[in-house]
Amino acid sequence: DAKTTQPTSMDCAEGRAANLPCNHSTISGNEYVYWYRQIHSQGPQYIIHGLKNNETNEMASLIITEDRKSSTLILPHATLRDTAVYYCIVRNYGGSQGNLIFGKGTKLSVKP
Amino acid sequence: DSGVTQTPKHLITATGQRVTLRCSPRSGDLSVYWYQQSLDQGLQFLIQYYNGEERAKGNILERFSAQQFPDLHSELNLSSLELGDSALYFCASSGYGRAGTQYFGPGTRLTVL
Repeated sequence: DAKTTQPTSMDCAEGRAANLPCNHSTISGNEYVYWYRQIHSQGPQYIIHGLKNNETNEMASLIITEDRKSSTLILPHATLRDTAVYYCIVRNYGGSQGNLIFGKGTKLSVKP
Repeated sequence: DSGVTQTPKHLITATGQRVTLRCSPRSGDLSVYWYQQSLDQGLQFLIQYYNGEERAKGNILERFSAQQFPDLHSELNLSSLELGDSALYFCASSGYGRAGTQYFGPGTRLTVL
């Protein structure tokens, strides 16, 4: 699985958009970008995933560059409850085998 | 609520002891994964079961073992416990063909004294 690079930490004002970047320059053609987050000591939570098109769900939007070497997770109106560590993970989509490889992620602090 | 349940929530035991952690996956999910999260190691994959069979293995110690039962619940057995085994243990499940989308339980916090 491709390796990802994320900033160690970021701050965001409550109510503003939080844009979390991720570099994955070695991503291969069949690999997807997944985002998870972990709110303090809780189980990680799946957020969104995508291949090459931009994706949006009720939690967030995912923007993947045309060359697929980087992506941005967007939380449109961050709240204090969005304070968490966000993990960008690249892996193949499906199959029935395989774990998630978590890096250190980005610690997002949403401030009032 | 992810639909994945884990028991117990907390476990305190002594070195040398053996414990069993239990996980029930989301309804219909055939895959169960176990992860360990300690302060200095981050989230580490231990083992995966798919429909009762071991499917993938990570950095799981020989003192640890797991199994998945016919009703798809899974148990992680930790034996000869050491202080360094103190950690959060998470179970996750995924649906058929969707190994990238995993749903995590709330975890079991193990403290070895």
